[in-house]
Amino acid sequence: QSALTQPASVSGSPGQSITISCTGTSSDVGAYNYVSWYQHHPGKAPKLMIYDVSKGPSGISNRFSGSKSGNTASLTISGLQAEDEADYYCSSYTRSSTVVFGGGTKLTVL
Amino acid sequence: QVQLQESGPGLVKPSETLSLTCAVSGYSISSGYYWGWIRQPPGKGLEWIGNIYHSGSTYYNPSLMSRVTISVDTSKNQFSLRLSSVTAADTAVYYCARRGLGSWYFDPWGRGTLVTVSS
Repeated sequence: QSALTQPASVSGSPGQSITISCTGTSSDVGAYNYVSWYQHHPGKAPKLMIYDVSKGPSGISNRFSGSKSGNTASLTISGLQAEDEADYYCSSYTRSSTVVFGGGTKLTVL
Repeated sequence: QVQLQESGPGLVKPSETLSLTCAVSGYSISSGYYWGWIRQPPGKGLEWIGNIYHSGSTYYNPSLMSRVTISVDTSKNQFSLRLSSVTAADTAVYYCARRGLGSWYFDPWGRGTLVTVSS
């Protein structure tokens, strides 16, 4: 199984919005609404930000939103804040009953 | 509040077996949910290793299936990972996590433990 494709890095200024893409295939992202997104600050536990494409867990800011079109899912962060600077990973369930992650995107808040 | 904590040797010799345990607090494993292992090699992305249900039912990453065993001990409220015949490519931070009910996301996660494969 190949990893989902994410941009290596994205950046934005405080207050702006950014979008991170996550491209898979018709056997994973395109097949199910089981795409999730994680925020990871090095040395800490990864944190669930979005699940089932667009659902936000309790306690997560509504500045984080998710969507999907075809084989590509997206995470949008609006009103960018310094604390949002982290690595972000997408993941998807696959037709093989497995889970595949993206390679990760480093978000820099300028 | 559910919390997970990984533990095990930080250094394993090539060809030997890596063994890690994930202790769960704040929730009884026998009450349900799938529990999983994910790893992150240095400088690389996340890789799913596998999941286990409290009954012992498992799902494994096909690329690791021949070397991986995930087991659960409900009496100790913990689950474990064994990875045999390790090489330097198995050097990674290993995370344990709870899989979402009726879905395929992971929440919460442990903080992870670094395992280095070296002689």
